[in-house]
Parts: sequence; structure tokens; C-alpha cells
Amino acid sequence: EIVMTQSPATLSVSPGERATLSCTASQGISRDLAWYQQRPGQAPRLLMYGASTRPSAFPARFSGSGSGTEFTLTISSLQSEDFATYYCLQYHNWPRTFGQGTKVEIK
Amino acid sequence: EVQLVESGGGLVQPGGSLRLSCAGSGFTFSYYSFYWVRQAPGKGLEYVSAISSGGGDTFYANSVEGRFTISRDNSKDTLYLQMGSLRAEDMAVYYCATTSNFNHMDVWGKGTTVTVSS
Repeated sequence: EIVMTQSPATLSVSPGERATLSCTASQGISRDLAWYQQRPGQAPRLLMYGASTRPSAFPARFSGSGSGTEFTLTISSLQSEDFATYYCLQYHNWPRTFGQGTKVEIK
Repeated sequence: EVQLVESGGGLVQPGGSLRLSCAGSGFTFSYYSFYWVRQAPGKGLEYVSAISSGGGDTFYANSVEGRFTISRDNSKDTLYLQMGSLRAEDMAVYYCATTSNFNHMDVWGKGTTVTVSS
């Protein structure tokens, strides 16, 4: 099973600042990585897939990068609606596995 | 609009059974594969199971293999998760999600809550 490790567990950021979230896979997964945003009490929403492809529902301040084992999600200028928990998912191998999540909170 | 609506959650005793349903609308249900994903209270997301568009291929997490069965009825645009031998650690919100070719989970439902308690 591929283990996905996210860091940090919690990220305290002021509105308008940049946030950088990391996700590391225990073995290479090419670019078979997705990111999800989950607000409290809501279902997750697809934020990024193929490591760097962003669905049109999300604005350009969200960007993804990486391949192999190291991946990054960057939010260039945090808005109030971006404070949420973010999960990475690998879909390279079975079983699919998620990271434990990074909570982005208001500083 | 693509929509998924889960149902069937509730309170069940340890060792009991429950069947979850996920009804799809706004898209051609039979074209898509599906996942079930769960989230225990205050915890992260956990993959549970997946099924191909025709139902011939199914996959399970080790934690539910042999206890849960995923299935679908394309004539009813509905996905199912039959859960048996339920344990306290199965208590969670269960989400269904679409996927193309077993890639990432794409559109998610709002979830249904399963409580396992005596």
C-alpha cells in the first residue's frame, strides 16, 4: 500500500498570504495525484488532478506541481473561503490512499 | 447538473448489516465507474470500494474485504454498498463519487451517516 504523508498537519495563514501544502508518496506515483478541498460539514470537492490540472470551478490562485513522490499545492493569496482542510489522493495503485489532511486556518 | 444522493445510513448494532444506495442524475450513469469513500468522525478520508461502469470489476480496501459488497443497477441509475459484520470502526459518513477509468474521485454526493452502536 502506498502511504501518502501530508505536511504540515495545520497551517496558520493570514488572509492574502501564500500557503504551500506538501504531499509525499512512499513510492513513485508518476502524476497520478489529486487534491481535494473539504469545508466543515461538507463533502470534499475535487481541486486538482493529474498533479497540476485545475477544474474550472476553482480560481487560478490554486496551483499544483510535482511528480514521482513529491507534490505541492499552492494557494497564492488566501481568501476567506479557502480556509478548509485539504487532502491529497494517489490513484496510481490499488488500494487508493489519501493523505491525512492539512487544515488551513486563519492566523 | 450532475448529482449524487446517498441514502440508507442509520443506526445498526455491531455485527449487523446495512445497505447504502447512491442515486445518480444529470449524467449517463452507465458510462461511469464509482467509488465509495468514508470519513469517520473527526478523521480523514478513506477509500472503501470501487466498481467499473458495467459492474464486472470491483475493488475493496483490505479493511472491508469479505464484509462489504459493491454493486450497481444501471437500469435504476443506482450504486449500492452492502455492508455486513459491521464494527465500531465502520462508523462514518459514507460518500459515493464518480470516476472516469478509475482515476481520481470527481463528483461527490453529500454523504450518508452510518452509526454502529449497541
